[in-house]
Amino acid sequence: DQQVKQNSPSLSVQEGRISILNCDYTNSMFDYFLWYKKYPAEGPTFLISISSIKDKNEDGRFTVFLNKSAKHLSLHIVPSQPGDSAVYFCAASAMKTSYDKVIFGPGTSLSVIP
Amino acid sequence: DADVTQTPRNRITKTGKRIMLECSQTKGHDRMYWYRQDPGLGLRLIYYSFDVKDINKGEISDGYSVSRQAQAKFSLSLESAIPNQTALYFCATSPPGNYGYTFGSGTRLTVV
Repeated sequence: DQQVKQNSPSLSVQEGRISILNCDYTNSMFDYFLWYKKYPAEGPTFLISISSIKDKNEDGRFTVFLNKSAKHLSLHIVPSQPGDSAVYFCAASAMKTSYDKVIFGPGTSLSVIP
Repeated sequence: DADVTQTPRNRITKTGKRIMLECSQTKGHDRMYWYRQDPGLGLRLIYYSFDVKDINKGEISDGYSVSRQAQAKFSLSLESAIPNQTALYFCATSPPGNYGYTFGSGTRLTVV
């Protein structure tokens, strides 16, 4: 059973509009969340993260929102650009435990249409 | 040079063969990881190592083994490859307490 879920395998958005990528998790021990971006033929690259003590974190065009009660987080990209077209992985970790590893979701493929 | 280098980039092998995937990193981090990516399943952890003497199984370690030859080198072996091990394999490294992993470019393995 997947502990980190990304229920939309793909998403298409017009250039300049907002992209919203969603992620749900089941393990209440998760307290640190990350988004990674992956282009074809490359490894994933770290994009943005958020601790469970916050409900929002911004970095330029990228904002991650965390709703702990709903066990849900989302990544907003505003405005979307064609270079944002990639697969986005949501990931989670339980930093307070000794397990200390990251669980990844299945990914959402974002296409930004010029 | 890339921070994390994986070799080979692509490999086709036959069922039952032993194969080794190699990873080296120049970040100077103690922590290294092996993940595999399958469509619809994302990245799943195979093995991880927090230092040269510390190696741990991940969620899908069956059929795999690893060797941490040095701080910078972490290799993954398939002792007897089977077709359902066909996947994209990623090596990664990170500093302690930081989950901003640096990944290699991946090895695409096909077992026929």
